[in-house]
Amino acid sequence: KAGVTQTPRYLIKTRGQQVTLSCSPISGHRSVSWYQQTPGQGLQFLFEYFSETQRNKGNFPGRFSGRQFSNSRSEMNVSTLELGDSALYLCASSTDPGLAGEQYFGPGTRLTVT
Amino acid sequence: QQQVKQSPQSLIVQKGGISIINCAYENTAFDYFPWYQQFPGKGPALLIAIRPDVSEKKEGRFTISFNKSAKQFSLHIMDSQPGDSATYFCAASKRSGGSYIPTFGRGTSLIVHP
Repeated sequence: KAGVTQTPRYLIKTRGQQVTLSCSPISGHRSVSWYQQTPGQGLQFLFEYFSETQRNKGNFPGRFSGRQFSNSRSEMNVSTLELGDSALYLCASSTDPGLAGEQYFGPGTRLTVT
Repeated sequence: QQQVKQSPQSLIVQKGGISIINCAYENTAFDYFPWYQQFPGKGPALLIAIRPDVSEKKEGRFTISFNKSAKQFSLHIMDSQPGDSATYFCAASKRSGGSYIPTFGRGTSLIVHP
């Protein structure tokens, strides 16, 4: 079974631009979560989608948004990029998030904002 | 406010030694405690997890010890190997909107010398 895939793997953007990151979960997984990983703040939860519905959202500004499609693929968007948005953005998928089971992480997208 | 405190930030042990990483939490709503292992360039991978009704869980060389009254839990890696060199994250999860949402510790960088 293929793992979680994220595209692109690396991205360089300029302050003020917007960016869209993509995540394809493991086949059969209906839940997708997004995390931001930085050296200063560590791993922080962004949001979680299940069956195309956002069920949970972390403490991030409205510039961060996401969506999930009917095939469970998910995208996250960051508008009006700031230097502090430079981070590794991780996507994780699971079969049923209500079971506190295993989340499978993708390799992440490394976003650099200049 | 850091809800999950992890220590030490970095750890160096000799091959065959015991690696111990500690975490503490405040929110008693947390009821699932996973540990993740992350290698450079990869996303975190679930290593082992425990629920608060169990005081210890062992899987191979990895053991979680859990102290519910002290709100502390720790990861012990027995017979540490150079291949164990990675960053380890503890997490505490609680139910929200039908899902389990993790709060991560800041991570421990483990180096095992041969």
